Amino acid sequence: QVQLQESGPGLVKPSQTLSLTCTVSGGSISSGSYYWSWIRQPAGKGLEWIGRIYSSGSTNYNPSLKSRVTISVDTSKNQFSLKLSSVTAADTAVYYCAREGVGMPHFDYWGQGILVTVSS
Amino acid sequence: QSVLTQPPSVSGAPGQRVTISCTGSSSNIGPGFDVHWYQQFPGTAPKLLIHTNSIRPSGVPDRFSASRSGTSASLAITGLQAEDEADYYCQSYDSGLSGSLFGGGTKLTVL
Repeated sequence: QVQLQESGPGLVKPSQTLSLTCTVSGGSISSGSYYWSWIRQPAGKGLEWIGRIYSSGSTNYNPSLKSRVTISVDTSKNQFSLKLSSVTAADTAVYYCAREGVGMPHFDYWGQGILVTVSS
Repeated sequence: QSVLTQPPSVSGAPGQRVTISCTGSSSNIGPGFDVHWYQQFPGTAPKLLIHTNSIRPSGVPDRFSASRSGTSASLAITGLQAEDEADYYCQSYDSGLSGSLFGGGTKLTVL
């Protein structure tokens, strides 16, 4: 059974960089059959796709966030990470990591989510 | 236009049938990209409910069904139960984003 677990600071100051890691267990992030994605959800609002990475390191980002987002992968640790720079209060949200099938663009496994608050 | 439009809320009495619509555009559902549906309870991660327009993952009751036509899709829930009260999201690939797009979500209330 594949499991994903987000980790990182729950509080980030405005203008700083939000950094989160997703640890994958029960399956290899290098399998080649999946993209590994980040999705966020502000309180009381809908889901927003942030971006995804393939095991090779190839990435796709939401154009609305592209200038501030970096997603990277560490296959040796079976982890992938999110960095979001120059954060503001509008970036306060629950951040989820999720698995998306190549050629099957739906999210079948999700992490439990981590609340990140941007505040001084 | 990279938008998937859902009604903010729907409601129904136990045992009834409700539908949730998801209207897309020429950059997502229209060109034939598949639609997927998620169920989310408060404080929990979304759960895949329907994928590839109409396929239920193992363990999802057959009370849940979905379809896609043209630039729209819909989720139907029959024999409504109190436990179905949740938020429901549609999702599709969007060529403008080169990635995934979610609908705004629909809150289902069981009366």
